[in-house]
Amino acid sequence: ETGVTQTPRHLVMGMTNKKSLKCEQHLGHNAMYWYKQSAKKPLELMFVYSLEERVENNSVPSRFSPECPNSSHLFLHLHTLQPEDSALYLCASSRGHNNSPLHFGNGTRLTVT
Amino acid sequence: GESVGLHLPTLSVQEGDNSIINCAYSNSASDYFIWYKQESGKGPQFIIDIRSNMDKRQGQRVTVLLNKTVKHLSLQIAATQPGDSAVYFCAEDSRLMEYGNKLVFGAGTILRVKS
Repeated sequence: ETGVTQTPRHLVMGMTNKKSLKCEQHLGHNAMYWYKQSAKKPLELMFVYSLEERVENNSVPSRFSPECPNSSHLFLHLHTLQPEDSALYLCASSRGHNNSPLHFGNGTRLTVT
Repeated sequence: GESVGLHLPTLSVQEGDNSIINCAYSNSASDYFIWYKQESGKGPQFIIDIRSNMDKRQGQRVTVLLNKTVKHLSLQIAATQPGDSAVYFCAEDSRLMEYGNKLVFGAGTILRVKS
């Protein structure tokens, strides 16, 4: 149990579908993150929310749309994705101040067909 | 540029031996470093961290060493066990945000423990 729960664990979607990834953290943290993990590439930061406000958008295409309704929940809305978007999407949370580690969920394995 | 690099190695060690995983970083402004372990089908799991005002920190069977002069970080695992088999990532906090953390991750090292 990591304290960060992601659903679904696996998702297969067509390029015209709309789906959402969900993340919930039970650690009382103030910051939440979306990372993308592709094969043979380092983890890529996509979005950061601190106190429910987006503080970082790492040049992510608009077909990825994050939502943070409160400090415990984070969503990633997906629409008209491309096959190259297939990857493991990881959610993380942290206390939000410097020198605090991120705690990750187990990810959603996304396959775009 | 800002990067954390691992030479994408696969490290094979015999059970019971010590393991050393290395990491080079390039951002001299980074002042916080973390090691993560990622097992198959799971997300990265926090192992140990170190601030730049330290050069060594020990945990349970793990030690992290930081050499700021050469921008090098290492993770030592004592008495390596089969359960230590995983991909290990180092990450640096580039401190580019006032709130939250902007961690830059290395590519990872695969550790295989032979019984």
